[in-house]
Amino acid sequence: DTAVSQTPKYLVTQMGNDKSIKCEQNLGHDTMYWYKQDSKKFLKIMFSYNNKELIINETVPNRFSPKSPDKAHLNLHINSLELGDSAVYFCASSQVPGEGTDTQYFGPGTRLTVL
Amino acid sequence: GQNIDQPTEMTATEGAIVQINCTYQTSGFNGLFWYQQHAGEAPTFLSYNVLDGLEEKGRFSSFLSRSKGYSYLLLKELQMKDSASYLCAVMDSNYQLIWGAGTKLIIKP
Repeated sequence: DTAVSQTPKYLVTQMGNDKSIKCEQNLGHDTMYWYKQDSKKFLKIMFSYNNKELIINETVPNRFSPKSPDKAHLNLHINSLELGDSAVYFCASSQVPGEGTDTQYFGPGTRLTVL
Repeated sequence: GQNIDQPTEMTATEGAIVQINCTYQTSGFNGLFWYQQHAGEAPTFLSYNVLDGLEEKGRFSSFLSRSKGYSYLLLKELQMKDSASYLCAVMDSNYQLIWGAGTKLIIKP
């Protein structure tokens, strides 16, 4: 009965590859997020998405793209991986901000290592 | 710009009390959150303040002063399992969460 789940938990890959990380939430939330947490432990928002709007952090390279087959899933696709992409990626979900409880619930994280 | 400041690291003794401060400057304010993050794990929600004052939840309490742009998280009766990073985050006028860098709390026996 995991609330927010991500797969895989660990991902090791070569520079230049394309990879995807999957996220699913069973909380009935309308909004999902992707965060990057680097070695300095700073959580940086990459995307927030609900069925009406995708908000992209302008500092995120366009090699990163979110894909949402339905409101319970928000996958992160990364093209042409670079060494600097190595980090822990967290998925999170909440109700639509401002329309209820704004608390975000996080998945367990995916540790991506680019060699 | 938007800014959240909190100490990088704090040390406390098991059984004691510790206060972790957070100051913020954001474009608008729609609430302040505290999250706990153990090493290698996901952040987990601890508290939410949107009105001034103290919110108590068991051994943890969180305080907010909107006029001062200030919050603190108070942890009582510290246990070894409280060793973690504590993240302060503010929801701005666009309902985006602005995160602090976290305070690493080390508990010593």
